[in-house]
Amino acid sequence: AQTVTQSQPEMSVQEAETVTLSCTYDTSENNYYLFWYKQPPSRQMILVIRQEAYKQQNATENRFSVNFQKAAKSFSLKISDSQLGDTAMYFCAFKDSNYQLIWGAGTKLIIKP
Amino acid sequence: GAVVSQHPSWVICKSGTSVKIECRSLDFQATTMFWYRQFPKQSLMLMATSNEGSKATYEQGVEKDKFLINHASLTLSTLTVTSAHPEDSSFYICSARTASGGADTQYFGPGTRLTVL
Repeated sequence: AQTVTQSQPEMSVQEAETVTLSCTYDTSENNYYLFWYKQPPSRQMILVIRQEAYKQQNATENRFSVNFQKAAKSFSLKISDSQLGDTAMYFCAFKDSNYQLIWGAGTKLIIKP
Repeated sequence: GAVVSQHPSWVICKSGTSVKIECRSLDFQATTMFWYRQFPKQSLMLMATSNEGSKATYEQGVEKDKFLINHASLTLSTLTVTSAHPEDSSFYICSARTASGGADTQYFGPGTRLTVL
């Protein structure tokens, strides 16, 4: 069975710093998608970034980028120039062949002014 | 693009009554919608997968007679909590799946907070 592990329950950084959230997963599939979602206090789940496993190039969306290491089954999220609005729960997710998302436990990120 | 609405955003009801939650994809068609439940400070727990025009597939432990799901069109799915009890109080979130642009992705509604008195 696929699993997703986020080993950092909570992280805290100063505004404008760079922070990296870790995520590892386990699967026997070769083609799959990985996602990072953000859930701010409003509880709206927002897609941050996605990565297709067959693409070697790491995905980037403005200040957000991933370090996708397929062999190591690692999918970390880097947030550059962090902003107060980045404060949220961040969930790593893996899409299985049934189109369902397998979720990590989440990392609470606090950006301090 | 890829906006999902959910209504109502919050609801309070008496024990024993039924509550309907609507999930709509506003600018795309979704052949598959998902219903989740989220407990405080936890990740999302998948309740069921809903495909347009067919019966929903429920996860193990989810009572299908209690949580009725209808996916009447490519843009609308509803979750009805029947004979609600206080233990059903929770945050319910729907998502809609689209492969637009070649990237299979779920987009989420804003959630519904259900409180059963």
